[in-house]
Amino acid sequence: NAGVTQTPKFQVLKTGQSMTLQCAQDMNHEYMSWYRQDPGMGLRLIHYSVGAGITDQGEVPNGYNVSRSTTEDFPLRLLSAAPSQTSVYFCASRVDRVTRDTQYFGPGTRLTVL
Amino acid sequence: GENVEQHPSTLSVQEGDSAVIKCTYSDSASNYFPWYKQELGKRPQLIIDIRSNVGEKKDQRIAVTLNKTAKHFSLHITETQPEDSAVYFCAARLNTDKLIFGTGTRLQVFP
Repeated sequence: NAGVTQTPKFQVLKTGQSMTLQCAQDMNHEYMSWYRQDPGMGLRLIHYSVGAGITDQGEVPNGYNVSRSTTEDFPLRLLSAAPSQTSVYFCASRVDRVTRDTQYFGPGTRLTVL
Repeated sequence: GENVEQHPSTLSVQEGDSAVIKCTYSDSASNYFPWYKQELGKRPQLIIDIRSNVGEKKDQRIAVTLNKTAKHFSLHITETQPEDSAVYFCAARLNTDKLIFGTGTRLQVFP
């Protein structure tokens, strides 16, 4: 199993540009989520999904869209990038069962918005 | 709103000493409390977790305690080693299925 994969690893955008961060997992996990990590602020939840076709907002959803058309993929879209979205983005997944809570993180995408 | 507070933000200890990191959470319905370790430039990785029906859990040099009445939980690392140096995050899973993280503790273990 590849686990959780993210592409790209690095990205530089100009203000106003749009892009999609890709996330995929091959563990048949129902639950997937996106976090952003900023210095001194820990990991903040952007959006999450408890299964295909179901998404919900986290702590900091503004400026981001998600969709979950398949169990494997959970892309994060920035419609109009802003410098405040400069961050490291982590995708994570876990089996959505009471006794199996371990959340696995992808390697991260470092995004810079100029 | 939903919140997890973590202290201290930085912690320096001598090799062999113990380290304690504390977290408090706001939602009394939280039922799952994991701890993650993140080394520089790498992804967070789960090191230990505890559920709301358990007061303490231990795994070799690492232990976690939970006080549901006070809504706080702690990570204890004994006999610290230089390779324990990293950023540690606590988290709490809310009844809504969100996993909310603390702001992190940078632990430095000096030889």
